[in-house]
Amino acid sequence: KAGVTQTPRYLIKTRGQQVTLSCSPISGHRSVSWYQQTPGQGLQFLFEYFSETQRNKGNFPGRFSGRQFSNSRSEMNVSTLELGDSALYLCASTPRRGRGNEQYFGPGTRLTVT
Amino acid sequence: GNSVTQMEGPVTLSEEAFLTINCTYTATGYPSLFWYVQYPGEGLQLLLKATKADDKGSNKGFEATYRKETTSFHLEKGSVQVSDSAVYFCALSDNAQGGSEKLVFGKGTKLTVNP
Repeated sequence: KAGVTQTPRYLIKTRGQQVTLSCSPISGHRSVSWYQQTPGQGLQFLFEYFSETQRNKGNFPGRFSGRQFSNSRSEMNVSTLELGDSALYLCASTPRRGRGNEQYFGPGTRLTVT
Repeated sequence: GNSVTQMEGPVTLSEEAFLTINCTYTATGYPSLFWYVQYPGEGLQLLLKATKADDKGSNKGFEATYRKETTSFHLEKGSVQVSDSAVYFCALSDNAQGGSEKLVFGKGTKLTVNP
């Protein structure tokens, strides 16, 4: 079974632009979560989607948004990019919601804002 | 809120040495606990997990025991190999809080194993 795929793998944007990142979960997985990884803040939860609905959101400004499609694929969007948005953005999927679920991570999208 | 504290390292060991990476947590409920590993240029992989007190998770020679009394989940391996060089993350999820799949991570510990 194919793993979680994320596109693009690398992205360079200019401050003020917007960006859309894509995540395709493992086939059959319905929950998709997004995380931001930076050297300073570590791994931080952005949001989780299940059945096309946002179930939980981390402490990020409204510039960060996401959505999930009926095939469980997910996108996240960052508008008005800032230098501090440079990070590795990781997507994770899990087949269902519940205690002790393992999350399967993709390789990430490395976003650089100049 | 929930939080995870782990020793930050970096940790440098010789091959076949014993490894311990400390992890303690703060949670309002009864969280599930995880160790994830990240190899250079890759995403995270689950190493092991435990979902209730006194559970021991184990995989690839790594072990960790869920200690509720000390709120700890220390990672151990008896004999490390060069291939174990990676960054290790301790994490918790508290599904009791509205069924969220949110993981809360520690800062990560970089392990380097020399031949």
